[in-house]
Amino acid sequence: KQEVTQIPAALSVPEGENLVLNCSFTDSAIYNLQWFRQDPGKGLTSLLLIQSSQREQTSGRLNASLDKSSGRSTLYIAASQPGDSATYLCAVRDNYGQNFVFGPGTRLSVLP
Amino acid sequence: GAGVSQTPSNKVTEKGKYVELRCDPISGHTALYWYRQSLGQGPEFLIYFQGTGAADDSGLPNDRFFAVRPEGSVSTLKIQRTERGDSAVYLCASSSSGTWGETQYFGPGTRLLVL
Repeated sequence: KQEVTQIPAALSVPEGENLVLNCSFTDSAIYNLQWFRQDPGKGLTSLLLIQSSQREQTSGRLNASLDKSSGRSTLYIAASQPGDSATYLCAVRDNYGQNFVFGPGTRLSVLP
Repeated sequence: GAGVSQTPSNKVTEKGKYVELRCDPISGHTALYWYRQSLGQGPEFLIYFQGTGAADDSGLPNDRFFAVRPEGSVSTLKIQRTERGDSAVYLCASSSSGTWGETQYFGPGTRLLVL
């Protein structure tokens, strides 16, 4: 059974710092991996989707990498801003089902 | 519509009662998913619809949970004899056709509290 973990559980940084969020998954037979953002009391917003054949995806200040063989993905946020404060979730879609398996999330606070 | 909508946004009920949660997916999306998110956790898969049929209901925790999508658009998640452990945020998502490479678009969720 696929399990997804995220480290750290929570992170607090001053504005302007570059930071890295980590995601690990136990079964490397994945179809794709997606990073989401969740604001308090809100649904999930898709940030980046990486197919299993890809190594990374970039959108603005965000860069996500995927190392399928080692079961890891990182989300890099450059020049963090207070508006980046949210919970960041990674989710994998494996080859066995249509649903995503989610990690518990990293709660990020960017201090002005 | 512009995005996935869910109603109600909040639902408070008493233990043992029956509740229905509604999801309105993005217009034209054939795939619809229900997830449940407990406090401090990531969402957990419940059920996936392709059109009107439940293609995968392996995530439903027990037979008190049931979901329908009779016309292939709006879906209703039904919970019988609610228990305090059912308290969570119930998220709905849809995707265009359910193919492997697609992203899923999430609604804001229904926050269910069972007293």
